[in-house]
Amino acid sequence: AQSVTQPDIHITVSEGASLELRCNYSYGATPYLFWYVQSPGQGLQLLLKYFSGDTLVQGIKGFEAEFKRSQSSFNLRKPSVHWSDAAEYFCAVGLIQGAQKLVFGQGTRLTINP
Amino acid sequence: NAGVTQTPKFQVLKTGQSMTLQCAQDMNHNSMYWYRQDPGMGLRLIYYSASEGTTDKGEVPNGYNVSRLNKREFSLRLESAAPSQTSVYFCASSEVLGVWGLTEAFFGQGTRLTVV
Repeated sequence: AQSVTQPDIHITVSEGASLELRCNYSYGATPYLFWYVQSPGQGLQLLLKYFSGDTLVQGIKGFEAEFKRSQSSFNLRKPSVHWSDAAEYFCAVGLIQGAQKLVFGQGTRLTINP
Repeated sequence: NAGVTQTPKFQVLKTGQSMTLQCAQDMNHNSMYWYRQDPGMGLRLIYYSASEGTTDKGEVPNGYNVSRLNKREFSLRLESAAPSQTSVYFCASSEVLGVWGLTEAFFGQGTRLTVV
C-alpha cells in the first residue's frame, strides 16, 4: 500500500536558520508529490508539487523540494526561515484512481525561535 | 474567490445524534473529497467523488455517508455520532487532467467537530 512517512514530528529552528523537512514515500509507480502547509486553525495551502521533469522544484514563500527516486524522498528546504513559517507541514502522495486521492504523512510541526 | 466553503465551522454533538457537514466549491472541479485530521495521523480520506453522480469509499469510511448533490456540492453525514468521530473535517476539490497530471487540491477551512 502507498504510504508517506515524515520522521520528524516536531522541529524547532531559529529565525534566519536553514530548514529541511524530511519526507519518504512508498509507491510503486512515479509519484505525484506535494507539500502542504497548515497555519493554526486554517485549511491546507499548497507549497509546491512534483509531477515530472526537473527534480528540484520551487514553491511559494521561498520553499523548494528535491525529488530523489533512489531514496524515495521528497525533502522540503528553505535557506532562511522567518517567524511566519511556523506552521504544520504535510507531505503527500497523489494517486490517480478516478480522482486524485492524497495520502498524507503524519505532519511536521515547525516552531521558530526568535 | 470563495474556493471551497464548508459549514459549519464548529459543532458539538451528543453521542448518537446525527448531522450533515456541507461543502461547496466554485472552481468547476469534477472531483471532491472529505478528509479527517487527527493529531499525529495527518489527513485521512473518508470518501471521495470523482465526478458528479459517483462516490467511493476512502481509507476510513465507517460511520459516514456522503451525497454528491451536484457538481458544486458534496455533503458528509454522520448518522449516529460517536466520540471516535471527534476530529477536524476538511473538504477539498481538484481536477484530474488525464495524462497531463493533476491540479492541486484546494481545501476548505475545516469543521471542528466534538462528540461528547
